[in-house]
Amino acid sequence: GAVVSQHPSRVICKSGTSVKIECRSLDFQATTMFWYRQFPKQSLMLMATSNEGSKATYEQGVEKDKFLINHASLTLSTLTVTSAHPEDSSFYICSAPGLAEYNEQFFGPGTRLTVL
Amino acid sequence: GQNIDQPTEMTATEGAIVQINCTYQTSGFNGLFWYQQHAGEAPTFLSYNVLDGLEEKGRFSSFLSRSKGYSYLLLKELQMKDSASYLCAALDSNYQLIWGAGTKLIIKP
Repeated sequence: GAVVSQHPSRVICKSGTSVKIECRSLDFQATTMFWYRQFPKQSLMLMATSNEGSKATYEQGVEKDKFLINHASLTLSTLTVTSAHPEDSSFYICSAPGLAEYNEQFFGPGTRLTVL
Repeated sequence: GQNIDQPTEMTATEGAIVQINCTYQTSGFNGLFWYQQHAGEAPTFLSYNVLDGLEEKGRFSSFLSRSKGYSYLLLKELQMKDSASYLCAALDSNYQLIWGAGTKLIIKP
């Protein structure tokens, strides 16, 4: 199946710094990628839909100026958490739809962000 | 509104069978997914149903009833490695995934 990678897998940073997370589709092109956030013992929460060559679509309640998304190529989307605070500590996961007609999602391995 | 309901936690014995239920209410429907998620890892795809009936894939089977807004995931011959969270997600009319909160399955020897 399709492979999606994410980097870094784990990051610890100080409050106020910015963190960039990369999501790559390794063996297929993805015009659309999805960014999720998952708090402990909770389900995935869709943050935004990343569209190659255009602006991302953010879900209600997600600050677009805080979570900057760039989808500059067909295989790379980045999420930058700007001025991170402890409440931003979470598991961030990206996904990309595969080639199956039913829109199966292929997930990256996730990035564990801890803001001190 | 759109909603997915599934039990928070279930416990089963190694070698046994367990059924995890999921009910959904969505604006339109384009299929239902089941994903497995081990702690600290991303979800992995298990199954997709869009037509009524049972889909079998090895030890795992998934059932869908569109008229009832109901699905279940059936796991047979349980193994310790099956301990994980199982996420139910429905695809709405806009092809957006609506996620359940997940069912934590605990397997005991």
